[in-house]
Amino acid sequence: AQSVTQPDIHITVSEGASLELRCNYSYGATPYLFWYVQSPGQGLQLLLKYFSGDTLVQGIKGFEAEFKRSQSSFNLRKPSVHWSDAAEYFCAVGALDTNAGKSTFGDGTTLTVKP
Amino acid sequence: GAVVSQHPSRVICKSGTSVKIECRSLDFQATTMFWYRQFPKKSLMLMATSNEGSKATYEQGVEKDKFLINHASLTLSTLTVTSAHPEDSSFYICSAGPTGGGYGYTFGSGTRLTVV
Repeated sequence: AQSVTQPDIHITVSEGASLELRCNYSYGATPYLFWYVQSPGQGLQLLLKYFSGDTLVQGIKGFEAEFKRSQSSFNLRKPSVHWSDAAEYFCAVGALDTNAGKSTFGDGTTLTVKP
Repeated sequence: GAVVSQHPSRVICKSGTSVKIECRSLDFQATTMFWYRQFPKKSLMLMATSNEGSKATYEQGVEKDKFLINHASLTLSTLTVTSAHPEDSSFYICSAGPTGGGYGYTFGSGTRLTVV
């Protein structure tokens, strides 16, 4: 069975500082990996995804993530955080047989940005 | 492209009544839609897989008679919460696809259901 672990429940960073959100996954084959952002009361917005190829993936809003097969990780990074980045972030792994649509989500990391 | 509209965004209903939530793909045809439930401060839990023209596949522990799913067309899936109770209050989100060459699914903006 596939699973996703986001070890950090809550992270606080200062505006302008760098950010790394951790994600570890368990999956029997090559995973489809996703990062989503959710603002309060809103749906999920896809930040970036990895299916194959280059292990460093660029996404929207200046985010990037690196797939490391040896560590079963897909950590999300941003070099300089903006106050508007404060939100809930979810890492997800998608099932290959459903074209990644059937996703298993981590429990999320809440990001707080200090002025 | 790949926009998914979910309606209503918020609904309050009385205990014992039924509520229908719609998930529409606006600019693409979605052969598959997924329905998720999100509890406060919790991750998303997959409830069911909805395929156009066939019966939905429910995840273990999800009551199919309480959460009726219909995917009558390639652009619309509906989730009906029947005989709603306060414990059904939650945030329900759909995703539709595939898009983008068969690898993408787009999420709707969610529906906040409150049962009083």
